[in-house]
Amino acid sequence: RKEVEQDPGPFNVPEGATVAFNCTYSNSASQSFFWYRQDCRKEPKLLMSVYSSGNEDGRFTAQLNRASQYISLLIRDSKLSDSATYLCVVNIRSGGSYIPTFGRGTSLIVHP
Amino acid sequence: GAVVSQHPSRVICKSGTSVKIECRSLDFQATTMFWYRQFPKQSLMLMATSNEGSKATYEQGVEKDKFLINHASLTLSTLTVTSAHPEDSSFYICSARDSRVNEKLFFGSGTQLSVL
Repeated sequence: RKEVEQDPGPFNVPEGATVAFNCTYSNSASQSFFWYRQDCRKEPKLLMSVYSSGNEDGRFTAQLNRASQYISLLIRDSKLSDSATYLCVVNIRSGGSYIPTFGRGTSLIVHP
Repeated sequence: GAVVSQHPSRVICKSGTSVKIECRSLDFQATTMFWYRQFPKQSLMLMATSNEGSKATYEQGVEKDKFLINHASLTLSTLTVTSAHPEDSSFYICSARDSRVNEKLFFGSGTQLSVL
C-alpha cells in the first residue's frame, strides 16, 4: 500500500462547478500536510497548507482529518485556469526527520 | 519568498555521457534538499535526500553510484547522472525545505533529460 494515495482522475468538470479531491495517508505519525498544483512539465507550486481546523483561501478550502487520516481539497466556482494536477504532500517521519512524500496527483480538467 | 534555482532546464545527450544538474537556494539556507524524478503521467518519486556536509540518503532501488549527489554548501546541491542511458530520460526536480516557513517545500523549475 502506498503511503500517500490519491485518485488520479481525471476529474472533468464544467466551469463554475464545485469539485473535491481526497488524499489518504497511511502513517499516523505524519506531521504536516500540503496541497500543491503542478502544470504539465512544470515544477509543483504550493497551493496551500492544510490544518486540522480547516483553512480557506478564496475558492479553495482544505481540510485535515487526523482520525481518518485523510486530507481534502475543495474548489468552488471552477475556472478554466484551474486545470492542472493537484498533488497531496505529507511529511512522513523517517528516522529522525520528516520526508515530504507525494501522492501521484489528481488531474482536473475544467471545460467551458 | 524562498527561491530555488535549478539548471539546466533541458538536456539532450548521447548515451554514455554524464549529466550534472545544479540546484541552488537563493535566499535561504537549505540544510536538506530533495531530488525527485518524474516519468510522464507519474507521480514525483523521491530519489534521495541530500544533507549538507554528509552523504545523501538514497531511496530503495536508486543506484547511488549512478546518481551522484553532492551537497557541499548550504545553498548548493548537485545531481550527476553518470553514464546516462535512454531509460534515464525523465524530468528531474529538486526541492529544498525552508524551515523558517513551516517546512514548506520550494521547488526548482526542473530538468528535462533526454538521452538518445
